[in-house]
Amino acid sequence: GAVVSQHPSWVICKSGTSVKIECRSLDFQATTMFWYRQFPKQSLMLMATSNEGSKATYEQGVEKDKFLINHASLTLSTLTVTSAHPEDSSFYICSAGTRTQPQHFGDGTRLSIL
Amino acid sequence: AQTVTQSQPEMSVQEAETVTLSCTYDTSESNYYLFWYKQPPSRQMILVIRQEAYKQQNATENRFSVNFQKAAKSFSLKISDSQLGDTAMYFCALIDGGSQGNLIFGKGTKLSVKP
Repeated sequence: GAVVSQHPSWVICKSGTSVKIECRSLDFQATTMFWYRQFPKQSLMLMATSNEGSKATYEQGVEKDKFLINHASLTLSTLTVTSAHPEDSSFYICSAGTRTQPQHFGDGTRLSIL
Repeated sequence: AQTVTQSQPEMSVQEAETVTLSCTYDTSESNYYLFWYKQPPSRQMILVIRQEAYKQQNATENRFSVNFQKAAKSFSLKISDSQLGDTAMYFCALIDGGSQGNLIFGKGTKLSVKP
């Protein structure tokens, strides 16, 4: 069964609204989770590293005020896309794991901004 | 900086035959981990196989095996007895030993298994 649960799987919303995506580790405590973005027919690009109890670390070029990450517990990280616009439409996917253990991925969230 | 390169954007293979997907990487770390992930049309990321850099023996998982050439920084994936369900995007990925565990992905190879 899935060890990382991600919700929602698909969301469509109007431009200007905020969207929250949840990523939960089901079978283990994840002190670190990762958020990736995938454009159609492209690879996964790391957006940010989510650390439990501390601020997320964002990759260069990722707007931290646009993509708010909260990792308030050892099993839950959330990504909030604030004031979403059509260019934010993409596939967002989270993962949890460590350097020595395989990364387990959520099923991803398809975000469509109208 | 760490990089992962997959030079084959698309490949095809006949059902039951064998196919090899190429991957090269670059890292300055001596401790790292290499992975192959499969992404079918459902877009789930499925771990196919992993290799610890300190292990000389090539990893195998049923029909999947790797050819890990550490000196050449090469990590190819061999799929034997290809099945229709193997049709997917395949991503080669690296976890740097000095990182927190984030994966660095190649651009992927789209594999089509033909009946």
